[in-house]
Amino acid sequence: NAGVTQTPKFQVLKTGQSMTLQCAQDMNHNSMYWYRQDPGMGLRLIYYSASEGTTDKGEVPNGYNVSRLNKREFSLRLESAAPSQTSVYFCASRGRTSGAETQYFGPGTRLLVL
Amino acid sequence: DAKTTQPPSMDCAEGRAANLPCNHSTISGNEYVYWYRQIHSQGPQYIIHGLKNNETNEMASLIITEDRKSSTLILPHATLRDTAVYYCIVRFPQGGSEKLVFGKGTKLTVNP
Repeated sequence: NAGVTQTPKFQVLKTGQSMTLQCAQDMNHNSMYWYRQDPGMGLRLIYYSASEGTTDKGEVPNGYNVSRLNKREFSLRLESAAPSQTSVYFCASRGRTSGAETQYFGPGTRLLVL
Repeated sequence: DAKTTQPPSMDCAEGRAANLPCNHSTISGNEYVYWYRQIHSQGPQYIIHGLKNNETNEMASLIITEDRKSSTLILPHATLRDTAVYYCIVRFPQGGSEKLVFGKGTKLTVNP
């Protein structure tokens, strides 16, 4: 199993450009999440999808949209990127793998908005 | 959710036990204690969790005090690869709508 995968690994955008961050999991988990992490800070939840077909706002949803494309995939879209969205973005899925039911994280996407 | 307090940094010698404390004095009876770690530039990794009994798995042990107001994560034989930021999170499991709240954690440095 690849677990949680994210693309791209790195991205540089200009202010006002749009892009979509992709996330996929192969663990058959129902729930998926998007977090952002700024330097020296803990992770903050942007959006989550408790199950296929549902999405809900987290702590910092402004400036983002999400799509739960199917059970495997959960994408995060920045419609008009701003420098304040420079961050590392982590996707996670929740389920029971190797014994514990908890969240499993991808490797992250590093985004720089100029 | 109950708030947690962790020291910002700790050092440990390679091969020795690393004991990471967490204070959660406002924890409620049905909230669990979770521990995650984040090795530099990687996504957080689940370590262990517990409710009131001590827990052990292949990665670590979790000791929760009888009053549940604090806990300690123990890495029995720390290696250089255990250098990471360790997060203590107190949470009531809510299935798919579970929202983990990460503080700043403890930066553990394992020294050779």
